[in-house]
Amino acid sequence: GDSVTQMEGPVTLSEEAFLTINCTYTATGYPSLFWYVQYPGEGLQLLLKATKADDKGSNKGFEATYRKETTSFHLEKGSVQVSDSAVYFCALSDLNTGGFKTIFGAGTRLFVKA
Amino acid sequence: DAGITQSPRYKITETGRQVTLMCHQTWSHSYMFWYRQDLGHGLRLIYYSAAADITDKGEVPDGYVVSRSKTENFPLTLESATRSQTSVYFCASSPPRAGKETQYFGPGTRLLVL
Repeated sequence: GDSVTQMEGPVTLSEEAFLTINCTYTATGYPSLFWYVQYPGEGLQLLLKATKADDKGSNKGFEATYRKETTSFHLEKGSVQVSDSAVYFCALSDLNTGGFKTIFGAGTRLFVKA
Repeated sequence: DAGITQSPRYKITETGRQVTLMCHQTWSHSYMFWYRQDLGHGLRLIYYSAAADITDKGEVPDGYVVSRSKTENFPLTLESATRSQTSVYFCASSPPRAGKETQYFGPGTRLLVL
């Protein structure tokens, strides 16, 4: 079945460092891909998404490109801030199942030090 | 502007008791979901609903019951709580058409079963 694998955390960075969180997926169809972010004590929020190959999703300085050839959707940010400390979830949604069964990765916790 | 709310936010109960977690959304979204979040497992889908009176099992439905008599409410009941059901429970919803694969999450309910 469909699955999402993302790098284990925690990831600890200093403020203004470059961030990459790796995410790869397996899917039989043509999924949409997502990054969600969870701040402490809160529910998940959609950070960005891409619905087809070579699409780039971006929001709040974060970017991720849908790479069909490598089945990847790595999250990047050029300069992280302390306020970016959170847990980041990669996810896919397969339109073959009506688009509403979303598969989540295990999450990667990011700590940013001042 | 309430969006999606969950109650209670925190609950302690004992093994064998029945517990109901409430979820309410104000957007009239067709799709609603219940997930549990456990360390190392990310989010796992318990049940989902495509519309009022239409529900279906997710990945981990055993021990849970749902109903959806009204579009805006999607309660989750643990019929006889077990320690393994100690978790954080998230409700989510998605709109019916374009962008339906994007999910909007509530703040979560932390459940402890003693």
